[in-house]
Amino acid sequence: NAGVTQTPKFQVLKTGQSMTLQCAQDMNHEYMSWYRQDPGMGLRLIHYSVGAGITDQGEVPNGYNVSRSTTEDFPLRLLSAAPSQTSVYFCASSSLGLAGTGELFFGEGSRLTVL
Amino acid sequence: KQEVTQIPAALSVPEGENLVLNCSFTDSAIYNLQWFRQDPGKGLTSLLLIQSSQREQTSGRLNASLDKSSGRSTLYIAASQPGDSATYLCAPRGGGATNKLIFGTGTLLAVQP
Repeated sequence: NAGVTQTPKFQVLKTGQSMTLQCAQDMNHEYMSWYRQDPGMGLRLIHYSVGAGITDQGEVPNGYNVSRSTTEDFPLRLLSAAPSQTSVYFCASSSLGLAGTGELFFGEGSRLTVL
Repeated sequence: KQEVTQIPAALSVPEGENLVLNCSFTDSAIYNLQWFRQDPGKGLTSLLLIQSSQREQTSGRLNASLDKSSGRSTLYIAASQPGDSATYLCAPRGGGATNKLIFGTGTLLAVQP
C-alpha cells in the first residue's frame, strides 16, 4: 500500500542550486498538489494539477515549477534555491468528481534546508 | 479567496474531557471539508471527510459537523486521551473546477494525563 511517495525525505542545498522533489501516487488520482509548511504559517498551496498536462498556481508559486506528464507523477522543481525556501514540503493527491470521495492523501514530507 | 480560521490556536485539557475544535471559512461554496491530525515532525493523517451535502461524520470518539451556509465546522473529541495530543487542521475544498484545499493554521491540542 504505497499511497503517496515523496523523495527525498531530507535534502540540504546551497543558495542557487537546483533540485527536484519527486512525488508519485499509485491510486490513479487526478488531483495532485504541493504544499509547504512553515512554523506559524500553516500549510500553503504551491502548485496543483487536476490531470496530466494541466497545472495551476496556488498561493505561493514563485520560485517553483511543476509539470504533470503522467497521472502518477508530479515533480516540484526549484530552479535556483533561496534560504526562504527552507521548509517542509508535502505532496498530496485525491480523486475528483464522481470518481471517488475527494479525500486528500498526503505523503510523509520532504524536509529541505537551503544554506 | 478562501480564508480558514481555527479557534482556539492552542488548547490544554485533562485526560477524559470532551472538547470541541472550531473551524470557520469565508467561502461557503465548498465541495467537502476534511479534518486532519498532524503529530510533531510527521505528515498529515486524514481523520474525517464531510461532503458538502452532509451535516456530520463520525469515527470512533470523533465527530465532525458541517454548517456550510454559515461557513463553520466543528470537531468533537469525546473522552480525550494523551494519545490525542497533536495539531488538528481543517481544510475546506473549493467547489469549482479548481478544487483547491486551503488549510487553517490548526489547533495544537495537549491532553494532560
